[in-house]
Amino acid sequence: AQTVTQSQPEMSVQEAETVTLSCTYDTSENNYYLFWYKQPPSRQMILVIRQEAYKQQNATENRFSVNFQKAAKSFSLKISDSQLGDTAMYFCAFMKHETGNQFYFGTGTSLTVIP
Amino acid sequence: GAGVSQSPSNKVTEKGKDVELRCDPISGHTALYWYRQSLGQGLEFLIYFQGNSAPDKSGLPSDRFSAERTGGSVSTLTIQRTQQEDSAVYLCASSFQGLAGFGEQFFGPGTRLTVL
Repeated sequence: AQTVTQSQPEMSVQEAETVTLSCTYDTSENNYYLFWYKQPPSRQMILVIRQEAYKQQNATENRFSVNFQKAAKSFSLKISDSQLGDTAMYFCAFMKHETGNQFYFGTGTSLTVIP
Repeated sequence: GAGVSQSPSNKVTEKGKDVELRCDPISGHTALYWYRQSLGQGLEFLIYFQGNSAPDKSGLPSDRFSAERTGGSVSTLTIQRTQQEDSAVYLCASSFQGLAGFGEQFFGPGTRLTVL
């Protein structure tokens, strides 16, 4: 079975600073996807960034980037130039490549951006 | 539609009553998921539908919970004889299966269920 671990229940960062959220996972699969989702207080879950395991290049999406270490099974999210609107719960998620129902979420990290 | 929609957005019910929660996935998405999110917790998988295949019900917490998906589109999650521990936000998500496999899940806004 796959597990996803987010070891930081809560984090805070000053506006305009950089913050890194950690995520580790355990799997015997070689081909899979990893995701970071954001859930603001409005509770609508929004995809932030995704990474295919077969790609060595780290995914980036504007101010969001990941540090994907496949051997270490680590998938951290870096938010640069943090903005007040980044305040939210962030969930790391794992999905096997072949079957859509094998989708596992971490317990989340609550990020607060301080003005 | 433009995104996944869920109704109602909030539901307050009395213990012992039945409730139905509705999810309209993104048109063309073959996979549909239901999750439960209790206060301050992560997402708990409930059930998964993929096309015409038998649903994966492995996450349903008890036989009071059931779900159906009609015509491969709209889904209804039914909770019978609700209990106070059923109080949570129920999230629906859909995804598309292409040649490269499944894509990311798109989530609805959720239904907040409160059982008094």
